Amino acid sequence: QQQVKQSPQSLIVQKGGISIINCAYENTAFDYFPWYQQFPGKGPALLIAIRPDVSEKKEGRFTISFNKSAKQFSLHIMDSQPGDSATYFCAASGGYGQNFVFGPGTRLSVLP
Amino acid sequence: NAGVTQTPKFQVLKTGQSMTLQCAQDMNHEYMSWYRQDPGMGLRLIHYSVGAGITDQGEVPNGYNVSRSTTEDFPLRLLSAAPSQTSVYFCASSYTQGTEAFFGQGTRLTVV
Repeated sequence: QQQVKQSPQSLIVQKGGISIINCAYENTAFDYFPWYQQFPGKGPALLIAIRPDVSEKKEGRFTISFNKSAKQFSLHIMDSQPGDSATYFCAASGGYGQNFVFGPGTRLSVLP
Repeated sequence: NAGVTQTPKFQVLKTGQSMTLQCAQDMNHEYMSWYRQDPGMGLRLIHYSVGAGITDQGEVPNGYNVSRSTTEDFPLRLLSAAPSQTSVYFCASSYTQGTEAFFGQGTRLTVV
């Protein structure tokens, strides 16, 4: 119940295309869903996060869509750029006082 | 602001050797944690601390020890290195448990 499933494992997108990464969870106590971006040789860094009181959050080209009833959330990267090539991790936690559970990651490659 | 600093960046150990991975943060965060990152496994929590003098086990604590004598430092000790501990290790800190995590650059450890 503590797992967060993430797909696809890897994704190749042409420059200007839309990248979509999906995550699913089981624990209904989760109430904070961040996405982390990791470049090779670096630590993960927070990209965008959402709480279940909204169904969508947008920051620039990055959007999280959240479906509480399906227990799913996804990251959409619009107008994907080669500089977006990185590994993306979804995560979930029960909020304050709870540890994060991370998905296995998606390696995104954006072709020029 | 240095953020979260990990040392060393790379390390090769022989089976049975012990070593300490160092982690320091300068953001006055109460919560600190250690993760290991393995291909296809995402980030798995090893140990965490909610404040100086308090530590607890995460998902994969066996073979590792931690201590938290100050707010700034959270070293991870490998007691007797095994090849299964070959991984990339990340230290992270947060204002409190369950809030945005700031990661260090990672330590790539190889046990031969």
